[in-house]
Amino acid sequence: QVQLVESGGGLVKPGGSLRLSCAASGFTFSDYYMSWIRQAPGKGLEWVSYISSSGSTIYYADSVKGRFTISRDNAKNSLYLQMNSLRAEDTAVYYCARGSANFDYWGQGTLVTVSS
Amino acid sequence: AIQMTQSPSSLSASVGDRVTITCRASQAIRNALGWYQQKPGKAPKLLIYTASSLQSGVPSRFSGSGSGTDFTLTISSLQPEDFATYYCLQDYNYPRTFGQGTKVEIK
Repeated sequence: QVQLVESGGGLVKPGGSLRLSCAASGFTFSDYYMSWIRQAPGKGLEWVSYISSSGSTIYYADSVKGRFTISRDNAKNSLYLQMNSLRAEDTAVYYCARGSANFDYWGQGTLVTVSS
Repeated sequence: AIQMTQSPSSLSASVGDRVTITCRASQAIRNALGWYQQKPGKAPKLLIYTASSLQSGVPSRFSGSGSGTDFTLTISSLQPEDFATYYCLQDYNYPRTFGQGTKVEIK
């Protein structure tokens, strides 16, 4: 069955960096677009980034552009989100999701807390 | 960016009630809209895509309609497991944008 498992979250100081990973299984990862979506504590959902199946096309939310980098390794069935210059407002549960929209599978999420 | 406005922000309803949630886009998005259900501590679940297509495995009491700027999610007969927060998402262009959510609570 399809599984997406995020890892890499944790507590980081403002200005710090973190790299999130999403391990995919149960489907042909290289055939699918992938996305990151986040949710601040007690708040709504916010789309963060998208990457095409080959990695050639990428989009970001304005709120993370220039600070976050999405990437993928199809040989390792893995999706990544490199987060630099982190701010308090980046504190959220980060989900990876299959697709560019119509997100039919989601991971369980990984919590990123940005605090001094 | 396209703004998605959901209403109401919350509602109270009883089991068996018909519930309607609306989502309005700040510009026309054809039928490029999905609906998601989220329960506390869980990842969202896709219910409806392309405005009116029911995702596989989702009960038929859920339905979606609309096109252009105005969209509706309807639950025909609310069940205990339907108490959750619902979000719309436009996939007409980037950046993707979600509505702010509608919390459906027990009356």
